[in-house]
Amino acid sequence: AQKVTQAQTEISVVEKEDVTLDCVYETRDTTYYLFWYKQPPSGELVFLIRRNSFDEQNEISGRYSWNFQKSTSSFNFTITASQVVDSAVYFCALSEPSSGSARQLTFGSGTQLTVLP
Amino acid sequence: DAGVTQSPTHLIKTRGQHVTLRCSPISGHKSVSWYQQVLGQGPQFIFQYYEKEERGRGNFPDRFSARQFPNYSSELNVNALLLGDSALYLCASSSTGGITDTQYFGPGTRLTVL
Repeated sequence: AQKVTQAQTEISVVEKEDVTLDCVYETRDTTYYLFWYKQPPSGELVFLIRRNSFDEQNEISGRYSWNFQKSTSSFNFTITASQVVDSAVYFCALSEPSSGSARQLTFGSGTQLTVLP
Repeated sequence: DAGVTQSPTHLIKTRGQHVTLRCSPISGHKSVSWYQQVLGQGPQFIFQYYEKEERGRGNFPDRFSARQFPNYSSELNVNALLLGDSALYLCASSSTGGITDTQYFGPGTRLTVL
């Protein structure tokens, strides 16, 4: 069975600190996609990034960066110089086949990030 | 362009009642997926529809049903509500629902069953 593990339930940092959110996944697929979503208190899941299983290049977008390592089945997310507005629940997700021809997202349990002023 | 929209925002029902939740996808997207998010957990897949056909179903009882209309909007129906159905119901749209697609989520409908 496919699975996504986010071992950090809650993380609290002070503004301007760097923080890394961990994600470990399990899959038997050779082709798969990994995602990170942000869920602020309003509840809407906001898409942050998508990576496919053939692209292990790290990616940087502003203060956000992602480290994808197939050897350790990890897809970690780092926020540099955190800000109060970064406070949210962050979900890692794996795209996997579902019943029929559907592709479903399997989510981890999320990491609640609190950035203190 | 408008994102995914869902209605209503909040809903309170009592046990045994039924509920209909609605979703309009991003313009041009033909696939809609539904997820249930219980407090403190990640979203769980319920259904995926593409071109009005059900493509897949998660591990949910038959009390849950859905459909997609010719304009690609979708409804999720839940019959005989249980207390455990209280959750945030999220709709996601994508171009085709395929492996290369990104699913974009709406704001959700928060259902409370008393």
